Amino acid sequence: NAGVTQTPKFQVLKTGQSMTLQCAQDMNHEYMSWYRQDPGMGLRLIHYSVGAGITDQGEVPNGYNVSRSTTEDFPLRLLSAAPSQTSVYFCASSYSPSTGELFFGEGSRLTVL
Amino acid sequence: AQTVTQSQPEMSVQEAETVTLSCTYDTSESDYYLFWYKQPPSRQMILVIRQEAYKQQNATENRFSVNFQKAAKSFSLKISDSQLGDAAMYFCAYRSSYLGDNDMRFGAGTRLTVKP
Repeated sequence: NAGVTQTPKFQVLKTGQSMTLQCAQDMNHEYMSWYRQDPGMGLRLIHYSVGAGITDQGEVPNGYNVSRSTTEDFPLRLLSAAPSQTSVYFCASSYSPSTGELFFGEGSRLTVL
Repeated sequence: AQTVTQSQPEMSVQEAETVTLSCTYDTSESDYYLFWYKQPPSRQMILVIRQEAYKQQNATENRFSVNFQKAAKSFSLKISDSQLGDAAMYFCAYRSSYLGDNDMRFGAGTRLTVKP
């Protein structure tokens, strides 16, 4: 039972480079989201999706882009990496947008030099 | 916007003892969910316990229990018979039940150390 799978687990980028964090879930969840975790700040929502073809911004969306072409996949794109985007990123999903707990991936540690 | 506050950045407990982690939240809604997540050094976010706001009874999961005070907007986590494996970062989280308000909001976390 894979749950939520994120890749890569670790990545080092140079300022200005772009990259995509991949996220896939096999639980047929409608709701998927991306969070970033920074020391002393908990987890903050970047973008979320309530179903295929539907995405919206969270609390800290600048510098990130998402799409949801299938129920299973929800990639997060960094358009032009900046040192301020050094963080741990989590993909999460839930059955519906407004009920129940989130199921998390294992996280991706991104360092931007 | 709803906010979640964890006022204890760090806590420590002796093995086999009991510890309580505090959490308060701010909301004008009446229907919502509250959660405690555990994040060990592996970084994985693990659900410890959940509470539906409409339920009067406090949730329990083995050694973990909550004290949910809806009027006071307080949601503390009690860990009984603490074990070395309980050492982790603990996050309190809030989620609205209303469609259109999809964000799960997290506190800043409490780092729990368990002393042998």
